[in-house]
Amino acid sequence: GAGVSQSPRYKVAKRGQDVALRCDPISGHVSLFWYQQALGQGPEFLTYFQNEAQLDKSGLPSDRFFAERPEGSVSTLKIQRTQQEDSAVYLCASSWYRGSGANVLTFGAGSRLTVL
Amino acid sequence: KQEVTQIPAALSVPEGENLVLNCSFTDSAIYNLQWFRQDPGKGLTSLLLIQSSQREQTSGRLNASLDKSSGRSTLYIAASQPGDSATYLCATLSGGSNYKLTFGKGTLLTVNP
Repeated sequence: GAGVSQSPRYKVAKRGQDVALRCDPISGHVSLFWYQQALGQGPEFLTYFQNEAQLDKSGLPSDRFFAERPEGSVSTLKIQRTQQEDSAVYLCASSWYRGSGANVLTFGAGSRLTVL
Repeated sequence: KQEVTQIPAALSVPEGENLVLNCSFTDSAIYNLQWFRQDPGKGLTSLLLIQSSQREQTSGRLNASLDKSSGRSTLYIAASQPGDSATYLCATLSGGSNYKLTFGKGTLLTVNP
């Protein structure tokens, strides 16, 4: 497709369950980002990949969060033992270039996670 | 640590009005500032990107200005239309990072027909 695709679009999990969120970036995009957007807030940086290398994971809230991009294309954000505070929209974005400095990112529609 | 603030949090205007959205940031050492639009259930769409060396950018009815020294940016929307209704977010690249965006909370704009 022409854009960044995220799945599932909506996920409801019971507290303590593990979830996996998928991001299909635009083909050939080098950089991939995950952001977390809580209700009424702006997106907050979680992690950054350049091809398959995870260059920055400083925004991951806890060791329950794990992201991977093993072949430098599709990425998965995994959350273990979900908590209510994990409820948010998880946004994925990609770019042709390294970093996002001078370049426009393409964002996906997001995966809305609700933890009961 | 960069902090980005957007005022107002919400704005409702009649169709046809010109309007200004405000964004302020605490760390003036930015690489660039971007304005995004977010529609419900959709991702972010980049509207305008202003490099740190620039003062303004224009696209159609949108004009964004940047004053680094005062830590401020404004997004001017001319002749607003109901289709402009959305949340508008500003974000900066700063703090030595060329990839980590810091976002404000956004301004929810409603343009009434």
